[in-house]
Amino acid sequence: QSALTQPASVSGSPGQSITISCTGTSSDVGSYNLVSWYRQHPGKAPKLMIYEGSKRPSGVSNRFSGSKSGNMASLTISGLQAEDEADYYCCSYTGSSTFDVVFGGGTKLTVL
Amino acid sequence: EVQLVQSGAEVKKPGESLKISCKGSGYRFISYWIGWVRQRPGKGLEWMGIIYPGDSDTRYSPSFQGQVTISADKSISTAYLQWSSLKASDTAIYYCARRGDYVDLDLWGRGTLVTVSS
Repeated sequence: QSALTQPASVSGSPGQSITISCTGTSSDVGSYNLVSWYRQHPGKAPKLMIYEGSKRPSGVSNRFSGSKSGNMASLTISGLQAEDEADYYCCSYTGSSTFDVVFGGGTKLTVL
Repeated sequence: EVQLVQSGAEVKKPGESLKISCKGSGYRFISYWIGWVRQRPGKGLEWMGIIYPGDSDTRYSPSFQGQVTISADKSISTAYLQWSSLKASDTAIYYCARRGDYVDLDLWGRGTLVTVSS
């Protein structure tokens, strides 16, 4: 099972919106609406930001939104803030009883 | 407080064995899958495998099958990740995480840094 494909880096200015893509296949992203997104600040553990493709856990800002089209999922962050600078990872269910889930390679978001 | 508390950093030599732990508290430990994720220095997240503490049903990513052993002791709400013979390439931070209802990882431990060096 190959990793999901994410851009290595994206950037934006405070107040702007950015979108991070996550491309999989018809066996993972395309087959299930079970994509999650995680934010990881340097030296910290990842934090769940989006689950089931577009839902936000309690406490996560509504500036974060998720969507999916075909084999590609996307994370959009609106009203960029300095604290959003971090690495972001997507993750998809694969349906395999053994392999289970696959992560994307990660995207470094820089707030200019 | 709902949390996963992982054991402390380890420094080992190649060929040595190791078992690290992840203790859950503040929730019903046996009712949620616990997964393990590797992050090598400067690299991304890699899925290793998962265990259901209620019955110890365990699944491994093919990349890690035979390389590590995942186990759990439900009596003390603790999951484990172990190696029988470490390699330098096992140097990484290892996170445990609770699986939520939608295959998401909704609760993470702080990670255990494992350094393997001669």
